[in-house]
Amino acid sequence: TQLLEQSPQFLSIQEGENLTVYCNSSSVFSSLQWYRQEPGEGPVLLVTVVTGGEVKKLKRLTFQFGDARKDSSLHITAAQPGDTGLYLCAGVNRNTGNQFYFGTGTSLTVIP
Amino acid sequence: SAVISQKPSRDICQRGTSLTIQCQVDSQVTMMFWYRQQPGQSLTLIATANQGSEATYESGFVIDKFPISRPNLTFSTLTVSNMSPEDSSIYLCSAEGQIPTDTQYFGPGTRLTVL
Repeated sequence: TQLLEQSPQFLSIQEGENLTVYCNSSSVFSSLQWYRQEPGEGPVLLVTVVTGGEVKKLKRLTFQFGDARKDSSLHITAAQPGDTGLYLCAGVNRNTGNQFYFGTGTSLTVIP
Repeated sequence: SAVISQKPSRDICQRGTSLTIQCQVDSQVTMMFWYRQQPGQSLTLIATANQGSEATYESGFVIDKFPISRPNLTFSTLTVSNMSPEDSSIYLCSAEGQIPTDTQYFGPGTRLTVL
């Protein structure tokens, strides 16, 4: 099992604040994805990072893949109530199979 | 991208009965997966649905309890057999495209309550 630990597990912040979510593992991944899930829906892909050290930006969201491809972070600037949801990282290692291993999840609530 | 639909969206079932969940993809895909999720928590992989062969189950999940079919590249079913209240959960179907893209597309999920 390739375990992905996310921190924090729960986060409640005021609108306009910044936050960072971490996704850590002792395993190396070919790529790592971040998903956001809202109640009653399936997870929706936000980004895929492939190269160690890679940084991707999606509007107010910044994603980074660790140099060793074992960890990742998601930073949100000036959070908005629409950012509320469950954030999940997921990794896949094509050398060992085709399964996606999902992180433990971070539940974010942005208070207006 | 792929659009995935699931039926039913929710159901309430009696202990000891079985429920079959259907997953339809709007395009041909190589990999399809079934997950279980408790509300607000992460996803647990049940199995990989293989087209033309038996599904590959993760530790803790067995074919007798969760039989899976995958008759073609766009459709799969998951049956939850002989249900107990512990099976109450959200069941999610996902798919990866024809060419591995390290991206999964998810259905909206089936919320199952077992009384």
